[in-house]
Amino acid sequence: EDKVVQSPLSLVVHEGDTVTLNCSYEVTNFRSLLWYKQEKKAPTFLFMLTSSGIEKKSGRLSSILDKKELFSILNITATQTGDSAVYLCAVSPNNNDMRFGAGTRLTVKP
Amino acid sequence: GAGVSQSPSNKVTEKGKDVELRCDPISGHTALYWYRQSLGQGLEFLIYFQGNSAPDKSGLPSDRFSAERTGGSVSTLTIQRTQQEDSAVYLCASSPNPRGLGNTIYFGEGSWLTVV
Repeated sequence: EDKVVQSPLSLVVHEGDTVTLNCSYEVTNFRSLLWYKQEKKAPTFLFMLTSSGIEKKSGRLSSILDKKELFSILNITATQTGDSAVYLCAVSPNNNDMRFGAGTRLTVKP
Repeated sequence: GAGVSQSPSNKVTEKGKDVELRCDPISGHTALYWYRQSLGQGLEFLIYFQGNSAPDKSGLPSDRFSAERTGGSVSTLTIQRTQQEDSAVYLCASSPNPRGLGNTIYFGEGSWLTVV
């Protein structure tokens, strides 16, 4: 059975801290891994990763995929209160729908 | 429209009543998804539409759930005889690509359903 496991489930940090969110997966086939940020109801897209070892970066956020060890990390440097959200990881197997993890709830305190 | 539009944004219904949730995808997007997110849970796949192909209904939790997509655009998710465990946020998403081909999808704001 395909599964996506995120850790930690929740995390509380202070502004300026750096955080690393983890996503490990087991899927029959793999096409891509995606990260989303969910603040209220609708997730917003962050990154799509298909190749190992190539870092995707957007401002203070970056992500990388390891297809050998079957995991991805999402890094956020110099965190701000606006980074507080649930971060969702999803894996897309071939010819199948995306499987989402349960998410990591990040709280950034001033 | 500019984004995926869902209505209603919030719905409170009595147990046993039927509800309809509407999704208007981004114009030109051929793929449309429905997901459900219960409190503290990850996103749960419900159903997938791609163009005029038969939908993938493999995620629908029971026969009380059904969805249709008229004219390849607007979709309606119907829940019959609602139960309290149906309380969740129902998210619709669309994509310009078929599933499995570059899966950047765009989510609506969701419909928060509370069954009392």
